[in-house]
Amino acid sequence: GNSVTQMEGPVTLSEEAFLTINCTYTATGYPSLFWYVQYPGEGLQLLLKATKADDKGSNKGFEATYRKETTSFHLEKGSVQVSDSAVYFCALSPKLSGGSNYKLTFGKGTLLTVNP
Amino acid sequence: GAVVSQHPSWVICKSGTSVKIECRSLDFQATTMFWYRQFPKQSLMLMATSNEGSKATYEQGVEKDKFLINHASLTLSTLTVTSAHPEDSSFYICSARVAGSETQYFGPGTRLLVL
Repeated sequence: GNSVTQMEGPVTLSEEAFLTINCTYTATGYPSLFWYVQYPGEGLQLLLKATKADDKGSNKGFEATYRKETTSFHLEKGSVQVSDSAVYFCALSPKLSGGSNYKLTFGKGTLLTVNP
Repeated sequence: GAVVSQHPSWVICKSGTSVKIECRSLDFQATTMFWYRQFPKQSLMLMATSNEGSKATYEQGVEKDKFLINHASLTLSTLTVTSAHPEDSSFYICSARVAGSETQYFGPGTRLLVL
């Protein structure tokens, strides 16, 4: 079956530090990969996505590259801000034909806290 | 674009009562809606998938008579927790996707507390 493994937190950084949150996956075929962010008390927001190998998703300074050879989709940001404090979820969606509902498989989430 | 709302945002109810949670796609038509449950500091657990006009598909271990899902239109799905008990207290999140797209857009969640 499909699975997503992401580094367990919590991760605590100082403002302007470099961020990496590792994510690896197991899936048949070539799934689409996502990073979602959840701010305290809120639902999930799509942060970025990539749909095929070597694609790079980017948004709000965050980046992740779809690496087929290492089955990874690590999230990076060069300089984090206090406002980036949230829980980050890596997820995959299989590309299935006809009738698929594109169910998402989530990692366990990584809590990031950025201190001023 | 792609905004999903949920109502109510939080609800407190007595044990044994039923609670209905609404999920609406505000600016798009959602072919499929998903209902998730999230426990504190944990990931999302998919409860069921609903397609407009058809019965919901429940994940293994989720009681369909306990968690009634109705997807009456392309912009509205409802989750009713019947005869709620304290162990049903949780954060319930819905998501929606458009036909042909794999991206899910999530609602802000509904926090349920059963006393």
